[in-house]
Amino acid sequence: NAGVTQTPKFQVLKTGQSMTLQCAQDMNHNSMYWYRQDPGMGLRLIYYSASEGTTDKGEVPNGYNVSRLNKREFSLRLESAAPSQTSVYFCASSGPPGVGYGYTFGSGTRLTVV
Amino acid sequence: QKEVEQNSGPLSVPEGAIASLNCTYSDRGSQSFFWYRQYSGKSPELIMFIYSNGDKEDGRFTAQLNKASQYVSLLIRDSQPSDSATYLCAVNPVSAGNTGKLIFGQGTTLQVKP
Repeated sequence: NAGVTQTPKFQVLKTGQSMTLQCAQDMNHNSMYWYRQDPGMGLRLIYYSASEGTTDKGEVPNGYNVSRLNKREFSLRLESAAPSQTSVYFCASSGPPGVGYGYTFGSGTRLTVV
Repeated sequence: QKEVEQNSGPLSVPEGAIASLNCTYSDRGSQSFFWYRQYSGKSPELIMFIYSNGDKEDGRFTAQLNKASQYVSLLIRDSQPSDSATYLCAVNPVSAGNTGKLIFGQGTTLQVKP
């Protein structure tokens, strides 16, 4: 009953460094999402993938790239980290759009860029 | 105007009281509405969804939807200290098309005092 697994849970980067956040789900969901959460800002969508092989920008995509490696995995890459990217990042997945599908969230990655 | 708006709170209620959490949304064609609970330092978890006008009850929780007023609320009866958390309202807007994309409000912090 793993659900959505995110790695790493914590990370400290120096400005300009790159890193990839990994996300995998075992619920056979088609759609996967990356959000960031900042105090007072709620959850803001960075990128999403409605199905394997497709990705689309969300509300705050600048500075990020994504890869939908297969149906299970959806990674988020920061090519050149900036202090403004200090945040908590959540991956989520969902079943087919329709009544009551909802999201299942991973446990989050707490990223600090210094 | 934000797509999904919530009062950030904190909303403080005594143990045993009814807590009322409110959310408004801007996309009149939105179809599905969700309430997530997020404990400090944890990921959001789905507690209720609603898609038809009226009330939906699940245990101590009742979700209320009024599409004409573009308003969704969550009532928590017999509030317990363990209900103290941030409650996130989320909406699947028409602009999401056939994706499961959700737009979140900034969340309302609920404090239940013993």
